[in-house]
Amino acid sequence: KAGVTQTPRYLIKTRGQQVTLSCSPISGHRSVSWYQQTPGQGLQFLFEYFSETQRNKGNFPGRFSGRQFSNSRSEMNVSTLELGDSALYLCASSWYLGGAEDEQYFGPGTRLTVT
Amino acid sequence: QQQVKQSPQSLIVQKGGISIINCAYENTAFDYFPWYQQFPGKGPALLIAIRPDVSEKKEGRFTISFNKSAKQFSLHIMDSQPGDSATYFCAASASGTYKYIFGTGTRLKVLA
Repeated sequence: KAGVTQTPRYLIKTRGQQVTLSCSPISGHRSVSWYQQTPGQGLQFLFEYFSETQRNKGNFPGRFSGRQFSNSRSEMNVSTLELGDSALYLCASSWYLGGAEDEQYFGPGTRLTVT
Repeated sequence: QQQVKQSPQSLIVQKGGISIINCAYENTAFDYFPWYQQFPGKGPALLIAIRPDVSEKKEGRFTISFNKSAKQFSLHIMDSQPGDSATYFCAASASGTYKYIFGTGTRLKVLA
């Protein structure tokens, strides 16, 4: 079974631009979560989607948004990029998230650099 | 109350030794505690996870010990190998919140 895939793997953007990152979950998984990883803040939860519905959102400004499609694929968007948005953006998928033995699997991440 | 405190920040262990990483939490609603291993340039990979109704879980060389009353849990890596050199993250989740809270990570180096 293929793992979580994220595209693109690397991205360089300029301050003020916007960016869209894509995530394809493991086949059959319906929950997709997004995390931001930085050396200073570690892994920070952005949002989680299940069946196209956002079930939880982390403490990030409104410039960060996401969505999930009917095939469970997800995208996240960051508008008006700031230097501090430079990070590794990780997508994770699970069958449901919150079940008895519901494990979450991460993709390789998208490395975003804002200049 | 939402934090998960992880220690140590870094750890150096001789090959064949035992690596121990500790995590502590305050939120008693947490009911799922996974550990992840991350190599440079890769996403975190699930190692092992435990629920509060179990005090210990072992999978190969990896063991989670869980102390519900102390609100602490730890990862033990037995017979540590150079290939175990990576960053390890503990995490916690509460049912119905649909998110993980991660510890700050421990960078493990196993000397050959």
